[in-house]
Amino acid sequence: QVQLQESGPGLVKPSETLSLTCTVSGGSISSYYWSWIRQPPGKGLEWIGYIYYSGSTNYNPSLKSRVTISVDTSKNQFSLKLSSVTAADTAVYYCARLDVSYYYYMDVWGKGTTVTVSS
Amino acid sequence: EIVLTQSPGTLSLSPGERATLSCRASQSVSSSYLAWYQQKPGQAPRLLIYGASSRATGIPDRFSGSGSGTDFTLTISRLEPEDFAVYYCQQYGSSNTFGQGTKLEIK
Repeated sequence: QVQLQESGPGLVKPSETLSLTCTVSGGSISSYYWSWIRQPPGKGLEWIGYIYYSGSTNYNPSLKSRVTISVDTSKNQFSLKLSSVTAADTAVYYCARLDVSYYYYMDVWGKGTTVTVSS
Repeated sequence: EIVLTQSPGTLSLSPGERATLSCRASQSVSSSYLAWYQQKPGQAPRLLIYGASSRATGIPDRFSGSGSGTDFTLTISRLEPEDFAVYYCQQYGSSNTFGQGTKLEIK
């Protein structure tokens, strides 16, 4: 059974770069798409972007200038970098497996990690 | 960008009742790319429905999805205590968007 685990600093200073990693266990990162989603406190879900195991990406237009998602197939991991963060980037960050075949849906999610942007 | 508007914002019902949740898109969405998720406090979202009407693995048959074009519906035929949660619809066109959520609360 595939499981996802997010990891990274829980506190990031304004203007710095948020960096998170998602480790895939119980299955291979190959042949799937992988996504990052975030949820500000008390608010709804916001899609950040996705990456295919081959490295192709698609980002939320509203975040595109600040987001980089990368993949390391040798470690079965994919990562998120969000630059120039502000308090508005404070959120729970989730990674998820994305099925983009005939359908589009996220069927396996990590538990989420809380990131606070504060000096 | 396609905007998804969910209604109502909050739905107050009793166990055993039927719940009908709406998701309306600002432009037509492919049914193949419309999904529904359930989220309980402190937990990650859980996939319920994909392709507008297909239940995900392990989802009870009291959950059903329907709709096409710009109007989609999630129906819970007979509410169980564990169904009270927040529900989100999601679409993918050239970009992925979520609705703002419907909170299903116990009356």
